[in-house]
Amino acid sequence: DGGITQSPKYLFRKEGQNVTLSCEQNLNHDAMYWYRQDPGQGLRLIYYSQIVNDFQKGDIAEGYSVSREKKESFPLTVTSAQKNPTAFYLCASSSIGGRENTEAFFGQGTRLTVV
Amino acid sequence: GDSVTQMEGPVTLSEEAFLTINCTYTATGYPSLFWYVQYPGEGLQLLLKATKADDKGSNKGFEATYRKETTSFHLEKGSVQVSDSAVYFCALTGRRALTFGSGTRLQVQP
Repeated sequence: DGGITQSPKYLFRKEGQNVTLSCEQNLNHDAMYWYRQDPGQGLRLIYYSQIVNDFQKGDIAEGYSVSREKKESFPLTVTSAQKNPTAFYLCASSSIGGRENTEAFFGQGTRLTVV
Repeated sequence: GDSVTQMEGPVTLSEEAFLTINCTYTATGYPSLFWYVQYPGEGLQLLLKATKADDKGSNKGFEATYRKETTSFHLEKGSVQVSDSAVYFCALTGRRALTFGSGTRLQVQP
């Protein structure tokens, strides 16, 4: 079945460590996104990519990095510079229609906890 | 910039009650509008969408009409079930990515 796979589902990070969250899609979508969700809050855009080898900062990119070497993959690294990384991270993808993106399809999320 | 405003929750209803969750938006151009649903510990699932003014999106008994004149996309369901308990997000397309509202938690009691 086509879809988006995020791994791992749960991730624990020690202070000062970098960790990488995986996101893979087989929907042949051009665009991919990373969002952060904090308890009781909406989704905030971290990074997005509309084409391979290109990506753009979202609203809260500080302390995060991404790469887009393949169309199917858009990993997110949470660096030690991110002061409050504990959150639920959601990856999404969409096709690009005309001047605007179409609806996004989401993975099941990765819950990151700093220990 | 683009923004979405949703009514604050939680919304608590008894089973078979009528549901309305308000959503208004600010955007340039003519965005597509969406409602997503999130169950505990999961990602978001698309519930319904509308791509132009006066379109009505519907799915699983939920409906929402794209009202350009009032910049609204309110979610309605005639008779909620316990299984509808979840968080509902209103969203719109933009040049960058989807912009989401803050979400509204719905709790349906038997």
